Amino acid sequence: GAGVSQSPSNKVTEKGKDVELRCDPISGHTALYWYRQSLGQGLEFLIYFQGNSAPDKSGLPSDRFSAERTGGSVSTLTIQRTQQEDSAVYLCASSLGVAGNQPQHFGDGTRLSIL
Amino acid sequence: QKEVEQNSGPLSVPEGAIASLNCTYSDRGSQSFFWYRQYSGKSPELIMFIYSNGDKEDGRFTAQLNKASQYVSLLIRDSQPSDSATYLCAVNRGGGTASKLTFGTGTRLQVTL
Repeated sequence: GAGVSQSPSNKVTEKGKDVELRCDPISGHTALYWYRQSLGQGLEFLIYFQGNSAPDKSGLPSDRFSAERTGGSVSTLTIQRTQQEDSAVYLCASSLGVAGNQPQHFGDGTRLSIL
Repeated sequence: QKEVEQNSGPLSVPEGAIASLNCTYSDRGSQSFFWYRQYSGKSPELIMFIYSNGDKEDGRFTAQLNKASQYVSLLIRDSQPSDSATYLCAVNRGGGTASKLTFGTGTRLQVTL
């Protein structure tokens, strides 16, 4: 079956521009997560969505970052006024439920480069 | 102290040998533990997860958890060159909003011919 789908796969933009990254989770998965992975760093949690509950935004690094999830499915991560330190691979994951032992499955990521 | 610590490696093992990958964590409230494999330029791929003390086996892979020592490991038997990758250890505190994962920086495994 289809896995987590992310687009675009690569994005190059100039400092100060806004970018939108998209994630389409596995069908039937109710939980959706965004992480980012900077060069040489571990994966860093950004935000979590579960059903109609308020998202957990505790990992967002600044107010330039925001995300939404429409209709409980597709999610968009928006970065406004991008900075060079925003360059990273942005990974989306989904899981079947919210139990702690539900494994998260990752998409191929969006590689974001800020010039 | 990092929340999840792994030796960055590289860990080099000959083909056919057992590779032992280790991970320690600082949060005693951690409930579930995951091992992901990540090939260069690719996304993490789930290998195994464990949440009870002891061993859990799946094919050539065995995960071991010791909550008292805050230690989790992954053993890979009969290592193959295709196992060469970075192995990420991840933990969470439970369900709901606690299900977000905290990752180590990974151990790079090299399986030599």
